[in-house]
Amino acid sequence: GAGVSQSPRYKVAKRGQDVALRCDPISGHVSLFWYQQALGQGPEFLTYFQNEAQLDKSGLPSDRFFAERPEGSVSTLKIQRTQQEDSAVYLCASSSEAGPRFFGPGTRLTVL
Amino acid sequence: GENVEQHPSTLSVQEGDSAVIKCTYSDSASNYFPWYKQELGKRPQLIIDIRSNVGEKKDQRIAVTLNKTAKHFSLHITETQPEDSAVYFCAASLNTGGFKTIFGAGTRLFVKA
Repeated sequence: GAGVSQSPRYKVAKRGQDVALRCDPISGHVSLFWYQQALGQGPEFLTYFQNEAQLDKSGLPSDRFFAERPEGSVSTLKIQRTQQEDSAVYLCASSSEAGPRFFGPGTRLTVL
Repeated sequence: GENVEQHPSTLSVQEGDSAVIKCTYSDSASNYFPWYKQELGKRPQLIIDIRSNVGEKKDQRIAVTLNKTAKHFSLHITETQPEDSAVYFCAASLNTGGFKTIFGAGTRLFVKA
């Protein structure tokens, strides 16, 4: 069956632009996670949803970052007024139980 | 909050040898410990996981051990093969109304043929 998908796969933004990153989890998966992975680093937790409820957003680095999952399936991570330090791969993962089990391919964001 | 330390950062072994990667965690309430393999340019893949009520789990050539008292857990790969070469991440997850999962910094494993 289909795995976790993310779009776009690559995004180049000028500093100050807003971006929206999409995640399509595996159908029926209750849990959805967003992670930020800088080059050569481990994934850094951003936020976690259980169905449509955002239960933990403690990893969002600033109020420029916003995530939603209004119908408990597709999720969008929005970054406002992008900065160069936002350049990273943004990974989405879904699971029907504990922890992130299936990751998407990621969106590589480059802020110029 | 939870902090996960992982060692070594780089590990080089000869094909057929064993490889061991060790992690420690700080929050004694963490109760789920997954391990991921990430090949260059690819997404992380869950390879094995262990819960806090179990001390050891094995799946073919890979095994994970957990010592709750010492708050450390380890990944063991036996009979390593060149295709095992990748970055391996340990993680610790706290189930308190969610599953916030914190990753270690990763271990780059090289298996020499």
